[in-house]
Amino acid sequence: DAGITQSPRHKVTETGTPVTLRCHQTENHRYMYWYRQDPGHGLRLIHYSYGVKDTDKGEVSDGYSVSRSKTEDFLLTLESATSSQTSVYFCATQWGLAGPGADTQYFGPGTRLTVL
Amino acid sequence: SQQGEEDPQALSIQEGENATMNCSYKTSINNLQWYRQNSGRGLVHLILIRSNEREKHSGRLRVTLDTSKKSSSLLITASRAADTASYFCATDYGDKLIFGTGTRLQVFP
Repeated sequence: DAGITQSPRHKVTETGTPVTLRCHQTENHRYMYWYRQDPGHGLRLIHYSYGVKDTDKGEVSDGYSVSRSKTEDFLLTLESATSSQTSVYFCATQWGLAGPGADTQYFGPGTRLTVL
Repeated sequence: SQQGEEDPQALSIQEGENATMNCSYKTSINNLQWYRQNSGRGLVHLILIRSNEREKHSGRLRVTLDTSKKSSSLLITASRAADTASYFCATDYGDKLIFGTGTRLQVFP
């Protein structure tokens, strides 16, 4: 498995507070992704990055921002957390787009976020 | 939403039986992948089938793809209790994957 860690693993916060989740990889993969997982919805893409400082929106990006200042770290920020953002957040990485195994995604262990 | 759908949502079988899960998607794809998720864990890649392939095998896994019907199926043969997990299809649109809603498989010893 790719070396992907997420921090924190669990967080409880209050509505209106800012929250930052961190994803760290040791595999030098070019692509990084943030998903949220909710019952009945499977995984939904929030934002992704195709290189340092290069990011794009996913399906459910409202209320979230991301930053990637170096290859190994991808941060997800909730500027002002709401109860609807209570979810499990997964980070994933992908080496590239072409070549054997390039388009496989590797997932971190997840962060369980509760917004009260 | 581009999100695909899987059926059944839940499946319970006995060890030794085969399990079949289906995935439907909405738009043309580059490839389709299947992932597995054990409870409380991240997803793990199982198998990838490209848009120009119709069937692919990996161990006890068999995947089919019908691009004319925009559907795929995952067959797990001779299932084991350790196969208990959620299974997700993911359609590849270039630089991102769109995941289905998942099938929860329970295999009883």
